[in-house]
Amino acid sequence: QQPVQSPQAVILREGEDAVINCSSSKALYSVHWYRQKHGEAPVFLMILLKGGEQKGHDKISASFNEKKQQSSLYLTASQLSYSGTYFCGTENDSGGGADGLTFGKGTHLIIQP
Amino acid sequence: GAGVSQSPRYKVTKRGQDVALRCDPISGHVSLYWYRQALGQGPEFLTYFNYEAQQDKSGLPNDRFSAERPEGSISTLTIQRTEQRDSAMYRCASSYGTGLTYEQYFGPGTRLTVT
Repeated sequence: QQPVQSPQAVILREGEDAVINCSSSKALYSVHWYRQKHGEAPVFLMILLKGGEQKGHDKISASFNEKKQQSSLYLTASQLSYSGTYFCGTENDSGGGADGLTFGKGTHLIIQP
Repeated sequence: GAGVSQSPRYKVTKRGQDVALRCDPISGHVSLYWYRQALGQGPEFLTYFNYEAQQDKSGLPNDRFSAERPEGSISTLTIQRTEQRDSAMYRCASSYGTGLTYEQYFGPGTRLTVT
């Protein structure tokens, strides 16, 4: 089952904050976040594991609420370089890593000067 | 160091022909994943390998699709009797460890067009 990402798209001014959500109907073991710029390969941002992790580096952080089967990606004081499509990829708790990642449809983020 | 490489980068083929897509992972990476990505969509998992062993084939759309990684390094995704619906970007990714708790490094992809 594909995770649902929201919003589908967001336009921000440079310096504003954004939150991107990822929800699953299945119990999750891990959530992966990637950013993809137009015409390029997805680039890894972070992995969050079951246990209610929070992670962050620079001005990008994320949380994972396993009970709610949700993860959120937080972009603080956005920079022009943050523009792109953000994907969450989920690993089901029952899969034992054998099912691969299931990616959402993506959230398009546009940062304007 | 060198990242994941894929060849060819672009492939145009006629319906009914077979195609072979190659992935060369980052040196030392033991896991290799194949995805298909439609325009404007997220990557769709196809299959993956730990070393030379194929772990899961359930994402392969049908029996026209097969993959191998005979020596635990380079992998080939083969599509037999291609159909127009097979047109997509095919990406591979590799990771340092087994299991899904390691970051995946994606290659540039092969854009397949079936005419």
